[in-house]
Amino acid sequence: NAGVTQTPKFQVLKTGQSMTLQCAQDMNHNSMYWYRQDPGMGLRLIYYSASEGTTDKGEVPNGYNVSRLNKREFSLRLESAAPSQTSVYFCASRTGQEVDTIYFGEGSWLTVV
Amino acid sequence: AQSVSQHNHHVILSEAASLELGCNYSYGGTVNLFWYVQYPGQHLQLLLKYFSGDPLVKGIKGFEAEFIKSKFSFNLRKPSVQWSDTAEYFCAVNWPGTYKYIFGTGTRLKVLA
Repeated sequence: NAGVTQTPKFQVLKTGQSMTLQCAQDMNHNSMYWYRQDPGMGLRLIYYSASEGTTDKGEVPNGYNVSRLNKREFSLRLESAAPSQTSVYFCASRTGQEVDTIYFGEGSWLTVV
Repeated sequence: AQSVSQHNHHVILSEAASLELGCNYSYGGTVNLFWYVQYPGQHLQLLLKYFSGDPLVKGIKGFEAEFIKSKFSFNLRKPSVQWSDTAEYFCAVNWPGTYKYIFGTGTRLKVLA
């Protein structure tokens, strides 16, 4: 049981380049999330998808786009990377029921130079 | 705005010392409460959770937490820490029926052998 799988684990980008972080979950969860983690700031929500076919902005959506490709997959795209987007990105998922737990992927370390 | 506060940003303890990490959240009402642990270079893993019932919850690895509704608090405790507990600890709050999981900024625990 893989849980939440993210790719790539590590990536270095040049300013202005684009890339997509992939996320897939095999737990049949309805809701999926993308967070970024920065030192001293905890986890901040970028985008979430409450269910297949819907996406919504979180706290820090600027510079990002997302696609909920199907129930399993939720991708995060940086159209024109900036050094401020250097961070660790975590995908997460949950069933979407009123009382449940959110589960995290292993993270993607992104450096923009 | 809804928020979660973790008062201790860095904690250094010797092995066998007792641990208590504070967590307070801003709004009242029904909440789901979580503590996650992140070992160096790894993703967030669930340590324990509270949904309802007994306000003293026990988690993995000897951790426990107490929900005090009147104080909007959910403090994490462990009677005797080990070197392997060195990690970052995050408190999180979810309001049932919402997508929001609000995370604290984390507490970095270093346990000296």
